[in-house]
Amino acid sequence: DTAVSQTPKYLVTQMGNDKSIKCEQNLGHDTMYWYKQDSKKFLKIMFSYNNKELIINETVPNRFSPKSPDKAHLNLHINSLELGDSAVYFCASSQEAANTGELFFGEGSRLTVL
Amino acid sequence: AQKVTQAQTEISVVEKEDVTLDCVYETRDTTYYLFWYKQPPSGELVFLIRRNSFDEQNEISGRYSWNFQKSTSSFNFTITASQVVDSAVYFCALSEVYGQNFVFGPGTRLSVLP
Repeated sequence: DTAVSQTPKYLVTQMGNDKSIKCEQNLGHDTMYWYKQDSKKFLKIMFSYNNKELIINETVPNRFSPKSPDKAHLNLHINSLELGDSAVYFCASSQEAANTGELFFGEGSRLTVL
Repeated sequence: AQKVTQAQTEISVVEKEDVTLDCVYETRDTTYYLFWYKQPPSGELVFLIRRNSFDEQNEISGRYSWNFQKSTSSFNFTITASQVVDSAVYFCALSEVYGQNFVFGPGTRLSVLP
């Protein structure tokens, strides 16, 4: 079973549309994240959720909203998509209390806005 | 604030050469964690190593080795006898709070030529 899975893997859409990317982890981790990787490969954290509580909210537009129905899921909803939103979005999880500190990443979702 | 610098944007080597990827970090905390991740052309992010700030022992894992020097705030990564499969983007990362608040460096793209 995939530890961190995100869907869809590819998403092509028009400017102005609203879209969602789903993420699920079956590792029992306490914290989940969304990262954005731009065309230059730079990884920037967008959000993290710990036990359904938002604990990091970087300076991202409020068109982006994370939604966590439970500890195992952290979905990313994007309103009014813009060209600059084109990127690869990675979901990740980590166990706050475990002696690893390792981030487990999903395979990424490539969003293309036309 | 935490910061990770990877001064080498791209490196090209010929197969079987040794190569060192540099990583310099900034943090005000005395307790922190350093990581290396690999992103091959297929796009997934693969965890390679974690080091905590109290453990300056160098580590070797097969052809990979890591040199942690607190005095220079560096955590360099060496690949010995490089192979074509080592071609990837390598990210150094820093976490100040255990398991959270990951900050990634800009990455170094390594190309190993046959």
